[in-house]
Amino acid sequence: GENVEQHPSTLSVQEGDSAVIKCTYSDSASNYFPWYKQELGKGPQLIIDIRSNVGEKKDQRIAVTLNKTAKHFSLHITETQPEDSAVYFCAARGQAGTALIFGKGTTLSVSS
Amino acid sequence: EAGVVQSPRYKIIEKKQPVAFWCNPISGHNTLYWYRQNLGQGPELLIRYENEEAVDDSQLPKDRFSAERLKGVDSTLKIQPAELGDSAVYLCASSLSSATNEKLFFGSGTQLSVL
Repeated sequence: GENVEQHPSTLSVQEGDSAVIKCTYSDSASNYFPWYKQELGKGPQLIIDIRSNVGEKKDQRIAVTLNKTAKHFSLHITETQPEDSAVYFCAARGQAGTALIFGKGTTLSVSS
Repeated sequence: EAGVVQSPRYKIIEKKQPVAFWCNPISGHNTLYWYRQNLGQGPELLIRYENEEAVDDSQLPKDRFSAERLKGVDSTLKIQPAELGDSAVYLCASSLSSATNEKLFFGSGTQLSVL
């Protein structure tokens, strides 16, 4: 089955800097890759997603890139703000109808 | 529009006691998931429903866990008897359809502490 590795486990940046979180997946059939943000005491919230027929997707300060050949995808946050501080999870899904497999999460801390 | 609603938010029980969690998905969402999230880890799937049918329960510890989704709307997850290792956050999520729409929406979860 699918296995998702996420790095780093913690990331500290200064406000205004960029943050990059990387994930690798094992199942070459995976075709959907979402990113979730989880704040303390809340459930994960979808922030951006990408499908395997697209190499990059951007939404304001966040972007995701996908390299199908290398089986890795990354989350990029530019101009970080203190409210970006949270735990971020990547996930991957294989064939349609199968469940999302999540990475172990990255705790992002943005200091002002 | 209301999101995924879960109750209770917190539950503290003694080991060997039973416990139940309730989930009300977003209206119109056919697919419902129960995930377990251990401290410092990502969510792990326990069971997935398409309407009232459990289509993936391979990760559900069936000796002590059970779930139901009567009428294809609300769902209940039960543990009986609870063990110390069951302490975790139990998350419910829903989507329009797992086959055609992958976007999952999560509830706030139930934090279970087994003493």
